[in-house]
Amino acid sequence: DTGVSQNPRHKITKRGQNVTFRCDPISEHNRLYWYRQTLGQGPEFLTYFQNEAQLEKSRLLSDRFSAERPKGSFSTLEIQRTEQGDSAMYLCASSLVRGAETQYFGPGTRLLVL
Amino acid sequence: QKEVEQNSGPLSVPEGAIASLNCTYSDRGSQSFFWYRQYSGKSPELIMSIYSNGDKEDGRFTAQLNKASQYVSLLIRDSQPSDSATYLCAVKNDMRFGAGTRLTVKP
Repeated sequence: DTGVSQNPRHKITKRGQNVTFRCDPISEHNRLYWYRQTLGQGPEFLTYFQNEAQLEKSRLLSDRFSAERPKGSFSTLEIQRTEQGDSAMYLCASSLVRGAETQYFGPGTRLLVL
Repeated sequence: QKEVEQNSGPLSVPEGAIASLNCTYSDRGSQSFFWYRQYSGKSPELIMSIYSNGDKEDGRFTAQLNKASQYVSLLIRDSQPSDSATYLCAVKNDMRFGAGTRLTVKP
């Protein structure tokens, strides 16, 4: 257990529905990252926050995806109008911006869109 | 060109052997490099980080970095069946990951 938690751990939804995932980082970490991972691939960067500011969003990310970190603590990732291609593991990681900035991953939320 | 490339594998070694995992990257300005291990169905966990050219050893693991060649590797000595997992190379500057190399250590 790295100290990063994610909820829910599993989500099954029907195509077209909206889903929201939550990530609670290690408390003193000021950076929070979201990744998506599909079978046989490495994690794909989606977006990251430093405190409450969203500093970067992947150019490949659909505008159906939005993320927030309103108070610089927990973060939410929302997917609107889900598609079957959104089925993946969604990983959250947090880090402390100091030196090499090692990231610690949460257990992930596995999404299945039917 | 992919930003971070790894041998796709799978790589199979007998128990007790040395497993060698390789990674190349495209961003010459990268400064920090990480190796993560990921068991099936689990999230990545950090094994080692390396920032300077040369070798860095931690127990049975040795990371090697050559910035001129844009190459980083991970050696696992005395491989154990419990080392069987996918190994992910990650490069800082927004933490780009390779696709991973699946390692199987056979008893």
